[in-house]
Amino acid sequence: QLVESGGGLVQPGRSLRLSCTGSGFTFEDHGMHWVRQVPGKGLEWVSSISWNSVFIGYAASVKGRFTISRDNAKNSLYLQMNSLRAEDTALYYCARDSSGSIRGWFDPWGQGTLVTVSS
Amino acid sequence: QSVLTQPPSASGPPGQRVPISCSGSSSNIGSNYVYWYQQFPGTAPKLLIYRNNQRPSGVPDRFSGSKSGTSASLAISGLRSEDEADYYCAAWDDIMGGWVFGGGTKLTVL
Repeated sequence: QLVESGGGLVQPGRSLRLSCTGSGFTFEDHGMHWVRQVPGKGLEWVSSISWNSVFIGYAASVKGRFTISRDNAKNSLYLQMNSLRAEDTALYYCARDSSGSIRGWFDPWGQGTLVTVSS
Repeated sequence: QSVLTQPPSASGPPGQRVPISCSGSSSNIGSNYVYWYQQFPGTAPKLLIYRNNQRPSGVPDRFSGSKSGTSASLAISGLRSEDEADYYCAAWDDIMGGWVFGGGTKLTVL
């Protein structure tokens, strides 16, 4: 099971940190992902991190502004979002990779946490 | 504009077979596995097909995936009302160094 938290309403230019806690599996064995979805629109990959944080990737739209990290001791995944823009408004899902890398399939997904960027 | 191209909608009467296409390029579908996710309104996406044509346990064999060159397809046979959902294809892109998704296809059972 994956549970996201940390979403909310934030002003443009400000920061927000999302968290995702995993349970029911060995968290440190799996790569993890963040995927976002504007309500009513499609899925957009945001970022991924391997089990040991060696392999990390970002979508071009968030590179330089967002930072993914994880704490295996706490079974937690994070997304630090800086310099937020209106176009970052979306439901943010975390998902587990089938492998320890970031090239497997996404299963399961959390229920999502909503981020709204607005003044 | 999604990197992978899907038709925005698909439909068919109960019992029919409906295909959903996903078109990409040599850097994504052409050289990597394709995955399909199913999403019902108000819920999180769920894995439907992995590694082009493999079904996770619990997914009915009415769902099948295939890949040829730079395109992939999801086929749903014996269409049922409970199959109404959005369907997304995804693949790793070697040039972008990340994951790409299709824009999604909304399936309607007539």
